[in-house]
Amino acid sequence: ETGVTQSPTHLIKTRGQQVTLRCSSQSGHNTVSWYQQALGQGPQFIFQYYREEENGRGNFPPRFSGLQFPNYSSELNVNALELDDSALYLCASSLAVGNEQYFGPGTRLTVT
Amino acid sequence: DQQVKQNSPSLSVQEGRISILNCDYTNSMFDYFLWYKKYPAEGPTFLISISSIKDKNEDGRFTVFLNKSAKHLSLHIVPSQPGDSAVYFCAAEETSGSRLTFGEGTQLTVNP
Repeated sequence: ETGVTQSPTHLIKTRGQQVTLRCSSQSGHNTVSWYQQALGQGPQFIFQYYREEENGRGNFPPRFSGLQFPNYSSELNVNALELDDSALYLCASSLAVGNEQYFGPGTRLTVT
Repeated sequence: DQQVKQNSPSLSVQEGRISILNCDYTNSMFDYFLWYKKYPAEGPTFLISISSIKDKNEDGRFTVFLNKSAKHLSLHIVPSQPGDSAVYFCAAEETSGSRLTFGEGTQLTVNP
């Protein structure tokens, strides 16, 4: 059974650019959540997708958007990148809403 | 507004001794609490959890205690092993289960 995978591992972008991060859920999982972990902080909830629909959103501006595909893989898109967007972005999948969340290794985004 | 707080950024213990990691929360709507362990370059992995209807949950060397009146929980690891060295995150969620709220993390170092 394949776990949660994320790509790319590392990414460097310039302020103002746009970025897309990808996540493949664990087999059979229909729910995916995205978290941002800034240096020295705990992960912060960005949003969750359940069966291709957004199912909850944290305190992040609209330039953070997401998608979930029919195969339950997911994308996180961030527009108009700011320096403070530099962080580790974690994706977590679960069998269903409320079930245990399994995390991927994350994508390290650096905005210069 | 930090709803889950881990006030100790780091903890160092000797192998074989007990490690006690603490966590406080402010949101009375939280009814499920989890501990995650994170190694460098990996995503957080689930360790142990406790429902608000319990005050203790034990799994091998790991025990979580919940004091609802004090809005405090703790993770006890005994005996501590060098492989336990990692960052430990306390997390909480409400019944809806759509999001985890994390603390800042505690870096545990177990010295041989």
